[in-house]
Amino acid sequence: KAGVTQTPRYLIKTRGQQVTLSCSPISGHRSVSWYQQTPGQGLQFLFEYFSETQRNKGNFPGRFSGRQFSNSRSEMNVSTLELGDSALYLCASSFRDRANEKLFFGSGTQLSVL
Amino acid sequence: GESVGLHLPTLSVQEGDNSIINCAYSNSASDYFIWYKQESGKGPQFIIDIRSNMDKRQGQRVTVLLNKTVKHLSLQIAATQPGDSAVYFCAESIASGTYKYIFGTGTRLKVLA
Repeated sequence: KAGVTQTPRYLIKTRGQQVTLSCSPISGHRSVSWYQQTPGQGLQFLFEYFSETQRNKGNFPGRFSGRQFSNSRSEMNVSTLELGDSALYLCASSFRDRANEKLFFGSGTQLSVL
Repeated sequence: GESVGLHLPTLSVQEGDNSIINCAYSNSASDYFIWYKQESGKGPQFIIDIRSNMDKRQGQRVTVLLNKTVKHLSLQIAATQPGDSAVYFCAESIASGTYKYIFGTGTRLKVLA
């Protein structure tokens, strides 16, 4: 069974641009969550989707958005990029949208904002 | 890319010795915990989990201990190997009806040959 797949692996953007990251969950998993990882803040929760609906949202500005498609694949978008958005963006999938579910992570997209 | 753990506490262990990595969790209502291992350039990898109705769980070369009284979690790695070098995170699942995990800041494990 293939794992969580994230594309692209690396991305370089400049301030003010926007970016879209993609995540394909493990087959059969319907819940996808996104995390931002930085050296100073660790893993910070962005949002979680289940059956195309956002179920939970972290404390990030509205520039960060996401969506989920009917095949459970998910995208996240960051508009008007800032230097502080440079981070590793991780996607995780699980079978259900409940607590006590194992999260399986992709390798992430390393975003650098110049 | 190496974007993880520039300011993490580090545990250095001799190859073959046992490692103990500790984690203090935040919410007494949390009832599910996971340990993750993250190698450079990769996403976190599931190691072992434990529910709050248990105080110990063993896997292959790993043991997780849970002390709910002091909200403390530990990961023990037996006979530490060079391949164990990585950043280790604990995660707690908040049993509040919403689906959310909170991750610890992580500990870097360095295995010395």
